[in-house]
Amino acid sequence: DGGITQSPKYLFRKEGQNVTLSCEQNLNHDAMYWYRQDPGQGLRLIYYSQIVNDFQKGDIAEGYSVSREKKESFPLTVTSAQKNPTAFYLCASKAGQKGDIQYFGAGTRLSVL
Amino acid sequence: SQQGEEDPQALSIQEGENATMNCSYKTSINNLQWYRQNSGRGLVHLILIRSNEREKHSGRLRVTLDTSKKSSSLLITASRAADTASYFCATGQNYGGSQGNLIFGKGTKLSVKP
Repeated sequence: DGGITQSPKYLFRKEGQNVTLSCEQNLNHDAMYWYRQDPGQGLRLIYYSQIVNDFQKGDIAEGYSVSREKKESFPLTVTSAQKNPTAFYLCASKAGQKGDIQYFGAGTRLSVL
Repeated sequence: SQQGEEDPQALSIQEGENATMNCSYKTSINNLQWYRQNSGRGLVHLILIRSNEREKHSGRLRVTLDTSKKSSSLLITASRAADTASYFCATGQNYGGSQGNLIFGKGTKLSVKP
């Protein structure tokens, strides 16, 4: 069953805490993306990675960090420096430079306690 | 930065009617795509139109692209209650290190009443 798996579905963060959102894909895609979606808004790009061991900042990278040690995995850490982390986080992947279509996970909803 | 702007922000129609959503963008693009999002879920790709194409069809979907006006429209014919969702346009970038990235609009929320 191919696709993108995000976990957990719901996550709660305490003040000053770092939390990590998981994103795993078995589509053999080179490129992976993290987006943030606020209520009634579109998607804003946080970080992206076009190849293993390489990643670039998107439009709203401050307060977030990522790693890409394996092709299948692109975890996102929401650090304590992100003062307004409450949002819906979406991970996506696509087949490298020649691919156009992005395939999305089901999302993680992060809330602050 | 969000460069796609959908219009209208919300649309409510009866089952069987057609739904038209519009998207405007600002910069040069490689392609324009439409995605659908059911409430609280991930996005699903619907259709892609390249910058050298003017119209494309897929089932009940029809997309047009006017690069001179930097705009696109998505038409859903004979709508069904199951079409209720938010629809986003996304423009594929064709320059520099951002090549292949998508910029999403804020979406149109479609409600189809049975």
